[in-house]
Amino acid sequence: GDSVTQMEGPVTLSEEAFLTINCTYTATGYPSLFWYVQYPGEGLQLLLKATKADDKGSNKGFEATYRKETTSFHLEKGSVQVSDSAVYFCALSDYGGSQGNLIFGKGTKLSVKP
Amino acid sequence: DTAVSQTPKYLVTQMGNDKSIKCEQNLGHDTMYWYKQDSKKFLKIMFSYNNKELIINETVPNRFSPKSPDKAHLNLHINSLELGDSAVYFCASSRMKETQYFGPGTRLLVL
Repeated sequence: GDSVTQMEGPVTLSEEAFLTINCTYTATGYPSLFWYVQYPGEGLQLLLKATKADDKGSNKGFEATYRKETTSFHLEKGSVQVSDSAVYFCALSDYGGSQGNLIFGKGTKLSVKP
Repeated sequence: DTAVSQTPKYLVTQMGNDKSIKCEQNLGHDTMYWYKQDSKKFLKIMFSYNNKELIINETVPNRFSPKSPDKAHLNLHINSLELGDSAVYFCASSRMKETQYFGPGTRLLVL
């Protein structure tokens, strides 16, 4: 079945460092890809998404490009802030089923130190 | 102007009890979902539902049942609660096969 693999955390960075969180997927169809973020004690918020190959999603300085050839959707940010400390989830939805459930990776916890 | 809301936010109860978690969305979406997040933060779909079809993840015990009084609500009923049911439960909604928006979560602790 479809699956998402993302890098194990936790990831600890200093403020203004460059961030990459790797995400790869396995899908039989042509999935849409998402990054969701969960701040401490809160629910999930959609961070960005891409619906087809070579699309780039971006939001709040974060970017991810849908790479079909490498089945990847790595999350990047050029300069992280303390306020970016959260758990980041990569997810896919192939919409091949009748309702398009999300399949999540295990999450990567990011801690940014001042 | 909360888009997807859940009540209660916290729920502490004894083993064997029956409890319900409510979810409401004001986005005009036609599909709603329940996800479970375990202690390791892993998220897994439990149910998805629109006015035509309920899809149940086969791994979900039949003690869990969704109830939808109307398109804006999808409540989760849990019978005979067990210790392993302790988790955070998230409701989400979307237009059919479009981006899902999540509620704030309900933290359930079974003692």
